[in-house]
Amino acid sequence: GNSVTQMEGPVTLSEEAFLTINCTYTATGYPSLFWYVQYPGEGLQLLLKATKADDKGSNKGFEATYRKETTSFHLEKGSVQVSDSAVYFCALSDQGTSYGKLTFGQGTILTVHP
Amino acid sequence: DTAVSQTPKYLVTQMGNDKSIKCEQNLGHDTMYWYKQDSKKFLKIMFSYNNKELIINETVPNRFSPKSPDKAHLNLHINSLELGDSAVYFCASSQDSGHQETQYFGPGTRLLVL
Repeated sequence: GNSVTQMEGPVTLSEEAFLTINCTYTATGYPSLFWYVQYPGEGLQLLLKATKADDKGSNKGFEATYRKETTSFHLEKGSVQVSDSAVYFCALSDQGTSYGKLTFGQGTILTVHP
Repeated sequence: DTAVSQTPKYLVTQMGNDKSIKCEQNLGHDTMYWYKQDSKKFLKIMFSYNNKELIINETVPNRFSPKSPDKAHLNLHINSLELGDSAVYFCASSQDSGHQETQYFGPGTRLLVL
């Protein structure tokens, strides 16, 4: 079956530090890959996505590249801000009969200090 | 103007009760979903409807019954509530059920069963 594994959190950084959150996946087909972010007390919102191998998704200074050879979709940001403090979820949606079902990683809590 | 809304936002109830959560989207999407987020933030799909037809039904106890009266609404009814049902329930919608589609999430309903 499909699965997503994210690096264990929580991650605590100082403002302007470099961020990497690792994500690897297992899928039976050719999935689309997503990063969703959940701010405290809110629902999830899409941060970025990539739908085929070697695609790079980017948004708000965050980037992730779909690496089929390493089955990875690591999230990076060059300089984090306090406002980036949130829970980050890596997810995949497989082709075929998944009907858009998202399979999520366990989430990584990020805290950024001033 | 809220894209995906859920009511109620908080629900505190006794074991054995029956309760409903309502979801509405004003994005004109064809597909809607219910996800459950447990206390460790792990998210899992429960159900999905496309154009009022059930397309995903994960291994959820049959005490949970979704209903979609029209494309814009997807409600979740839970019978005989148990302690383990305590969680945050998120509704989401997408344009269609394709694997590349972005899902838009509601703010969540925090259910506490005492």
